[in-house]
Amino acid sequence: KQEVTQIPAALSVPEGENLVLNCSFTDSAIYNLQWFRQDPGKGLTSLLLIQSSQREQTSGRLNASLDKSSGRSTLYIAASQPGDSATYLCAVSRGSTLGRLYFGRGTQLTVWP
Amino acid sequence: SQTIHQWPATLVQPVGSPLSLECTVEGTSNPNLYWYRQAAGRGLQLLFYSVGIGQISSEVPQNLSASRPQDRQFILSSKKLLLSDSGFYLCAWSVLPNRDQPQHFGDGTRLSIL
Repeated sequence: KQEVTQIPAALSVPEGENLVLNCSFTDSAIYNLQWFRQDPGKGLTSLLLIQSSQREQTSGRLNASLDKSSGRSTLYIAASQPGDSATYLCAVSRGSTLGRLYFGRGTQLTVWP
Repeated sequence: SQTIHQWPATLVQPVGSPLSLECTVEGTSNPNLYWYRQAAGRGLQLLFYSVGIGQISSEVPQNLSASRPQDRQFILSSKKLLLSDSGFYLCAWSVLPNRDQPQHFGDGTRLSIL
């Protein structure tokens, strides 16, 4: 069974810092890996998707990397802003036709001005 | 563009009452549809998924059920709610198998059981 772990569970940083969120998964036979953002009481917003054959994806100040063989992914946020405060969730898709996602419990990020 | 709608946004129900949560998707055809639950202190748990009308698969045994009466409509139901059914329920959709396509989530329903 696929298990996804995210470290740290919570992170509080001052504005402007570069930071790294970590995600690990136990079964390397994944279809893709996705990073989501969740604001309090809201649904999930897809940030980045990395296919299993890719090493990284970038969108603005966000960069996500994938090392499938070691079962790890990182989300790098450059020059953090208070608006980045949210919970960040990592999810992996099993190698099937359904795109079923296995989620970590998330990292709760607070960026203070 | 595609959009996903869930309602209601918030619901407070007594133990033993019935439940019906609705999710609809616009702007796409034949999507895969999913119901997830996010309980306090726990990660998202897949409850049901559907690859077509009338085709429902359950991931977790429970007193909930799901139905897909139309291509872009997904309904989560219960005949008698339990306290343990409290949580944040999220509906999601994706296109048929494609490595480039993420899952897209609705805004969720906060369900509190009293």
